[in-house]
Amino acid sequence: DVKVTQSSRYLVKRTGEKVFLECVQDMDHENMFWYRQDPGLGLRLIYFSYDVKMKEKGDIPEGYSVSREKKERFSLILESASTNQTSMYLCASSGGPRSAFFGQGTRLTVV
Amino acid sequence: QQQVKQSPQSLIVQKGGISIINCAYENTAFDYFPWYQQFPGKGPALLIAIRPDVSEKKEGRFTISFNKSAKQFSLHIMDSQPGDSATYFCAARVRSNFNKFYFGSGTKLNVKP
Repeated sequence: DVKVTQSSRYLVKRTGEKVFLECVQDMDHENMFWYRQDPGLGLRLIYFSYDVKMKEKGDIPEGYSVSREKKERFSLILESASTNQTSMYLCASSGGPRSAFFGQGTRLTVV
Repeated sequence: QQQVKQSPQSLIVQKGGISIINCAYENTAFDYFPWYQQFPGKGPALLIAIRPDVSEKKEGRFTISFNKSAKQFSLHIMDSQPGDSATYFCAARVRSNFNKFYFGSGTKLNVKP
């Protein structure tokens, strides 16, 4: 079974803090993605990576950055957390012709 | 703009009934159409998927119908059960664009006992 693991299920951070969300996949997938999920808005793509050290902006990259130093690990960074970044964050990976597989999600609350 | 449009936003079905969720797209570069099921507090899980050269795919009680000319596809859940109550997302992929997936806005299904 494909496994995509996100480091935290729940996080509470203060406004202005730098926040790191970590994601690890065990299927040697080339592509990894970070989405945020908000009620009524579905899944919106923040950033994705198609190879180590390669990244592309998604639809809503403002306020976020990413890092992919190893193929299996993709990190999402909130440089200075704000309350409007309170959301569910989902990491996914995909490779070849197959579908994307998701982690369990990180519910981030910024206070 | 949203690349994949999903309807309805919410759906209530009686146990044993048929649940139908619809999606539409415009981008003819999409080459793969999965459906995901998400329970509260969990990440989306792949349910069933179809390629555009097939008009229908069935797995157990779940069927995807695909109409390439109309650029529409739908999920049918036969004999719906309370355990099917979840949020369902359709998606479409452009493989030539880094396997990028575009998601519908989701349908919250409630199956009443």
